[in-house]
Amino acid sequence: QKEVEQDPGPLSVPEGAIVSLNCTYSNSAFQYFMWYRQYSRKGPELLMYTYSSGNKEDGRFTAQVDKSSKYISLFIRDSQPSDSATYLCAILDSNYQLIWGAGTKLIIKP
Amino acid sequence: NAGVTQTPKFQVLKTGQSMTLQCAQDMNHEYMSWYRQDPGMGLRLIHYSVGAGITDQGEVPNGYNVSRSTTEDFPLRLLSAAPSQTSVYFCASMGGSYEQYFGPGTRLTVT
Repeated sequence: QKEVEQDPGPLSVPEGAIVSLNCTYSNSAFQYFMWYRQYSRKGPELLMYTYSSGNKEDGRFTAQVDKSSKYISLFIRDSQPSDSATYLCAILDSNYQLIWGAGTKLIIKP
Repeated sequence: NAGVTQTPKFQVLKTGQSMTLQCAQDMNHEYMSWYRQDPGMGLRLIHYSVGAGITDQGEVPNGYNVSRSTTEDFPLRLLSAAPSQTSVYFCASMGGSYEQYFGPGTRLTVT
């Protein structure tokens, strides 16, 4: 079992929809959880990070951590075609290395 | 402030050739790393460095060498290229809040 699991998609939704992207992880000791966005032929860039559990909101984006279920989510409200990208979850392990999900390709249809 | 820069952007090698992928950052970050990204496999760590003179292996180090003589530069050397090394390579540096800043990537094809 991989330490971080993420459905690769693609996930295709109409413009304006609420998008839910998810990852599961195996080690209950993990504390730092991150979401990166990667546009085609570009490097990943940090979108949001959360420490421990709970929600964090930034504009149309909300990151949620459920430590009891070992489940992290990224919600995008009022999705736009410009949100079309691959979204990668990443978790900081005890050696301060990032463990990456495989990435979910998101397509927002106009 | 250029962030993380990588050269070249594209490269085609023949099996057995060697080459060096260059990476530089101007943010004075101690931690730098190299990843490869293959379809469906996410980012896999090749080598990393926590400061000048210190390097360590990641998940997939075989066939690659690194060195870190300065804080700014972290080159990745392919010793004898193989088709299995066809990939997109990203260099990254890490800031104080564990955020990783990525370069634009190098697309390598080995024939």
